[in-house]
Amino acid sequence: SQTIHQWPATLVQPVGSPLSLECTVEGTSNPNLYWYRQAAGRGLQLLFYSVGIGQISSEVPQNLSASRPQDRQFILSSKKLLLSDSGFYLCAGALVGGYEQYFGPGTRLTVT
Amino acid sequence: DAKTTQPPSMDCAEGRAANLPCNHSTISGNEYVYWYRQIHSQGPQYIIHGLKNNETNEMASLIITEDRKSSTLILPHATLRDTAVYYCIVRVASYGQNFVFGPGTRLSVLP
Repeated sequence: SQTIHQWPATLVQPVGSPLSLECTVEGTSNPNLYWYRQAAGRGLQLLFYSVGIGQISSEVPQNLSASRPQDRQFILSSKKLLLSDSGFYLCAGALVGGYEQYFGPGTRLTVT
Repeated sequence: DAKTTQPPSMDCAEGRAANLPCNHSTISGNEYVYWYRQIHSQGPQYIIHGLKNNETNEMASLIITEDRKSSTLILPHATLRDTAVYYCIVRVASYGQNFVFGPGTRLSVLP
């Protein structure tokens, strides 16, 4: 089965600073990859998904961007963080033809 | 928008069965019902999915009504570690299809 790795687990950043969150996948090739955000007490919001290297689809216009430089690497970035970017960021992967998504442990981002 | 409706919260006594309902009255013929759960501050965990037949695995059972407009996730012997938010999702099972997570049901298993 595939394993999703994310780091860091927690992050505190000032407003206006850049952001880079990394997600890597182990145990599979050519997965679909996803970035979700969860505000406190809310459901998950899909931010980006990727079906292959360099292929990124954005679900919500925002202050964030995503890149997929390698098959099993997915990066979430921002040039200048806003207070509203605070939340719990989750990376997920799905096997080709698979029915379920596997989630990483998440990164809790606090923008101060 | 999520295509499902779930109660915001439920309680269950430890050792008893937890029955979590989900309404999906607009489900299409090719959409599956998936259940995930999220323990506090962790990523969601896949539990089970089904199309129209009832399903059972080592974690839970999924009962889908004949008209497929609702379903129930059953945890047969709930433990304190089952305390989590449970998400019911309907989705076409195709490569690249995304999951839409609603607010889910917060299940509290009480000692």
